[in-house]
Amino acid sequence: GAVVSQHPSWVICKSGTSVKIECRSLDFQATTMFWYRQFPKQSLMLMATSNEGSKATYEQGVEKDKFLINHASLTLSTLTVTSAHPEDSSFYICSARDLRQGPYSNQPQHFGDGTRLSIL
Amino acid sequence: AQRVTQPEKLLSVFKGAPVELKCNYSYSGSPELFWYVQYSRQRLQLLLRHISRESIKGFTADLNKGETSFHLKKPFAQEEDSAMYYCALLSLYGNQGGKLIFGQGTELSVKP
Repeated sequence: GAVVSQHPSWVICKSGTSVKIECRSLDFQATTMFWYRQFPKQSLMLMATSNEGSKATYEQGVEKDKFLINHASLTLSTLTVTSAHPEDSSFYICSARDLRQGPYSNQPQHFGDGTRLSIL
Repeated sequence: AQRVTQPEKLLSVFKGAPVELKCNYSYSGSPELFWYVQYSRQRLQLLLRHISRESIKGFTADLNKGETSFHLKKPFAQEEDSAMYYCALLSLYGNQGGKLIFGQGTELSVKP
């Protein structure tokens, strides 16, 4: 089945540091990847949609300069949290859509394990 | 406005009891709905989608357009069903096309 790998799974760093999170589709090509933020026992909040070879589309209220997204290939998207602060601490999850399965309704999103980001 | 509402944050039942996790949606157009499940310390997984009309792990969900609902049901809950359940709506608006809108999630706890 389709597998999405996210790395790192957990990162702790000092305030002011920039942190990069990778999202890879291991056995399929993903034209579109999604980045979510999830607070404990709460819903997933879509941050941005990452399209291969083009600029990411950010949701309202999400700072583009704060959360840099790069989707340079059909199997890799990266999210960089720039100059991270404690309020950026959260669980970040990526998902990818399998190009092979046709229309949107037949392309379920496959989720990564998530990255727990803790900013001290 | 496109929205998914799961009114119950926590649903606690005993093993063998029927379960119904509620989901209501708001969407102008023909909705496509999904249920995702997240077991403890695991990634989010697709449980079922309404277009497939399938039953996975004994769960079913029927789309009721009149009531704008897509409730998840299982006649006899098992302890291994304990997890977070998210209802999601596929939004095809805008040039993003195909993004999922999630409900707040319902934690199902099945007691022995």
